[in-house]
Amino acid sequence: EIVMTQSPLSAPVTLGQPASFSCTSSQSLVNSDGNTYLSWLHQRPGQPPRLLIYKISNRFSGVPGRFIGSGAGTDFTLKISKVEAEDVGVYYCMQTTQFPHTFGQGTKLEIK
Amino acid sequence: EVQLLQSGGGFVQPGGSLRLSCAASGFKFSAHAMSWVRQAPGKGLEWVAAISDSGTRTDYADSVKGRFSIFRDNSKNTLFLQMDSLRAEDTAIYYCVLRIQSWGQGTQVSVSS
Repeated sequence: EIVMTQSPLSAPVTLGQPASFSCTSSQSLVNSDGNTYLSWLHQRPGQPPRLLIYKISNRFSGVPGRFIGSGAGTDFTLKISKVEAEDVGVYYCMQTTQFPHTFGQGTKLEIK
Repeated sequence: EVQLLQSGGGFVQPGGSLRLSCAASGFKFSAHAMSWVRQAPGKGLEWVAAISDSGTRTDYADSVKGRFSIFRDNSKNTLFLQMDSLRAEDTAIYYCVLRIQSWGQGTQVSVSS
């Protein structure tokens, strides 16, 4: 099983400032088809998660440009260029390269 | 518009069974793999099971293998999760998921004596 490790677990950020979240996998997420199936999801309290980024850096439909995914192999990053109030909640990375699919433990973004 | 309408959750005693359903619309259901993901109270997300588009391949988390069964009826655009031998640690909100891009509203499963 691929273990996903996120840091920090909590991220207090001032509105309008950037935020950065890290995700590390216990083994390479490069699939045999050459793609890397690393995604980022956002969950607000009481709501289902919402897909933000897929295959490291592709924004899903309707996701604002302030969300930027990057990385390769085993190390990945999600950056928010300027945090807005609606960005609060928990951010999860997830790998779907190999079964069982696995999630990181989540990073909670809160406004200072 | 993709819609995943879940039903079938509830309260059950340890050792009991429940079947979750997920009625899909707005996309060609038979062309897509589907998954179940759960979230225990106050905890993170846990992938539970997945099924291929045709239903011929299934995969399970070790925590539910041998107790849960994922299956689908492509003629009725419906996904199912049969949960047997339920334990207290199975208590969670269960989500029906289309390719991680669309999520159902979630259904609560509570296992307690």
